[in-house]
Amino acid sequence: ELKVEQNPLFLSMQEGKNYTIYCNYSTTSDRLYWYRQDPGKSLESLFVLLSNGAVKQEGRLMASLDTKARLSTLHITAAVHDLSATYFCAVATLNSGGGADGLTFGKGTHLIIQP
Amino acid sequence: KAGVTQTPRYLIKTRGQQVTLSCSPISGHRSVSWYQQTPGQGLQFLFEYFSETQRNKGNFPGRFSGRQFSNSRSEMNVSTLELGDSALYLCASSHPGANVLTFGAGSRLTVL
Repeated sequence: ELKVEQNPLFLSMQEGKNYTIYCNYSTTSDRLYWYRQDPGKSLESLFVLLSNGAVKQEGRLMASLDTKARLSTLHITAAVHDLSATYFCAVATLNSGGGADGLTFGKGTHLIIQP
Repeated sequence: KAGVTQTPRYLIKTRGQQVTLSCSPISGHRSVSWYQQTPGQGLQFLFEYFSETQRNKGNFPGRFSGRQFSNSRSEMNVSTLELGDSALYLCASSHPGANVLTFGAGSRLTVL
């Protein structure tokens, strides 16, 4: 059974600081996703990481993937209040039939960025 | 380009009733998947449909069912509702061969 663990689950930080959210998963996967969720809202896709060593950046967020360590990181640079949200990583695997299994999500990291 | 549309957005039911939720995917997307989000269990995969066929199913009881129509629209049904079924139900669609899942706004179900 695929398990996805995120840490920390809760993070309060000040504007201007840097921090990293970690996502570990237990079995081989070919795709890793990062999503953002604002309170009462749906999931917004941030990044899709497809291969070992993949790195993607958008604004103050950068995600990376190490498939050998089964680890992805989401790095926040010079945080601003607008980045306050819950961040989820999710892992997908291919089933034997070639279709995609459903995503297995981490518990989410609730991020609060204070002025 | 319209996103993933879910209806209804909010609904209240009582224990023992049944509910049907609807999801219209992005035009051209043929894969639709459903997720349940609760504070205790987080986001959990329910099932995925492609070309009217259920390809995968999560670990939920048989009270949870779904279907997909020829126009790719999907419905999920929960029968004999329990208090624990109160949740945000999210639908996501994707294009064949694409890696991005786009989520709808969700249907928030409250069971009293």
